[in-house]
Amino acid sequence: NAGVTQTPKFQVLKTGQSMTLQCAQDMNHEYMSWYRQDPGMGLRLIHYSVGAGITDQGEVPNGYNVSRSTTEDFPLRLLSAAPSQTSVYFCASSYSPWGRETQYFGPGTRLLVL
Amino acid sequence: AQSVTQLDSQVPVFEEAPVELRCNYSSSVSVYLFWYVQYPNQGLQLLLKYLSGSTLVESINGFEAEFNKSQTSFHLRKPSVHISDTAEYFCAVTHFSGGYQKVTFGTGTKLQVIP
Repeated sequence: NAGVTQTPKFQVLKTGQSMTLQCAQDMNHEYMSWYRQDPGMGLRLIHYSVGAGITDQGEVPNGYNVSRSTTEDFPLRLLSAAPSQTSVYFCASSYSPWGRETQYFGPGTRLLVL
Repeated sequence: AQSVTQLDSQVPVFEEAPVELRCNYSSSVSVYLFWYVQYPNQGLQLLLKYLSGSTLVESINGFEAEFNKSQTSFHLRKPSVHISDTAEYFCAVTHFSGGYQKVTFGTGTKLQVIP
């Protein structure tokens, strides 16, 4: 199994540009989520999905969109990039939405918005 | 709302010395507790977790954590650290909200092992 994969690894955007961060998992996991990691702030939940066709907002959803058309894929869209969105983005998945499950993280996408 | 506090942002320790990374949480309901480790330029991976039963849980690489309900703590310990333990460690708490998993992460503690 490849686990959780993310593309691209690095990205530089100009303010106002849009882009999609890709996330895929091959473990047949129901639950997928997106986090951003900023220095001194830990991980903050952006959006999550409990199954195909079901998504919901996390702690910091503004400026981001998600959709889940398949079990495997959970892309994150930046609608109009802002410097405040410079961060490291992690996608994670788990077998089910229940609280006891281990989350499996991708390697991250490092985004710089100029 | 749940919160997780990791009091130390950085912990320097000499190789082969013991270390304790502290984690406290606030919760009025039952929780599940996790420690994740992040090596440089990588994603997070599970180190150990407490779900129920014995309050002392261990990882395969010598770390252990003890769930203390009265003090709402889940401190991570290792009796003798190695250079390879240099990483950032995140404490996490999960709780139910509408039946779905909601995870709250601490701000992380960077462990720097000094040769």
